[in-house]
Amino acid sequence: GAVVSQHPSRVICKSGTSVKIECRSLDFQATTMFWYRQFPKQSLMLMATSNEGSKATYEQGVEKDKFLINHASLTLSTLTVTSAHPEDSSFYICSAGDRGQGSEKLFFGSGTQLSVL
Amino acid sequence: QQQVKQSPQSLIVQKGGIPIINCAYENTAFDYFPWYQQFPGKGPALLIAIRPDVSEKKEGRFTISFNKSAKQFSLHIMDSQPGDSATYFCAASMKGSARQLTFGSGTQLTVLP
Repeated sequence: GAVVSQHPSRVICKSGTSVKIECRSLDFQATTMFWYRQFPKQSLMLMATSNEGSKATYEQGVEKDKFLINHASLTLSTLTVTSAHPEDSSFYICSAGDRGQGSEKLFFGSGTQLSVL
Repeated sequence: QQQVKQSPQSLIVQKGGIPIINCAYENTAFDYFPWYQQFPGKGPALLIAIRPDVSEKKEGRFTISFNKSAKQFSLHIMDSQPGDSATYFCAASMKGSARQLTFGSGTQLTVLP
């Protein structure tokens, strides 16, 4: 299947700092990528849909100024958690699909565990 | 109408057993139903998927059964192994939504040696 690379896999930061997470589609172009948040033993919660060359679409209740998404190329989307606080600590995961092949399949990155001290 | 309901929340079987995980949906616009396997600290991995024009699909030890009239689908794992111990999520998507996935709540499977 298609490969989605996510980096870093783990980050620990101090409260008030910003953290950037990268999501890359390695062997296909992704006009759309999705960002999720997952708490322990819970399902994935969609945060936003990242669209190449345009603004991201955020789900209800997700602060767009807090979670900045940039999808500047067909293979890269970034999520920046601005002024992170302990309540932002979570597992963040991105996904993308090779829509160029007309496939419905979505592939996920390996996730980023964010811990804010 | 966007929900996908998944059960059970957790499941314990002996090695060689056949765990079955069930999902139900309401929105008839869903036309793609994948299952994902997730290990702790990792992203979900696509296991197998089905479309509503097919009642069953098998890939290796994993089988999806699909009942369109009941709006239900299930995952069967044949000859389960301890390495299958993971969390399993069903999901659904439809056209016109960039194929955004709606996830079930997940099932934590433990296969005892």
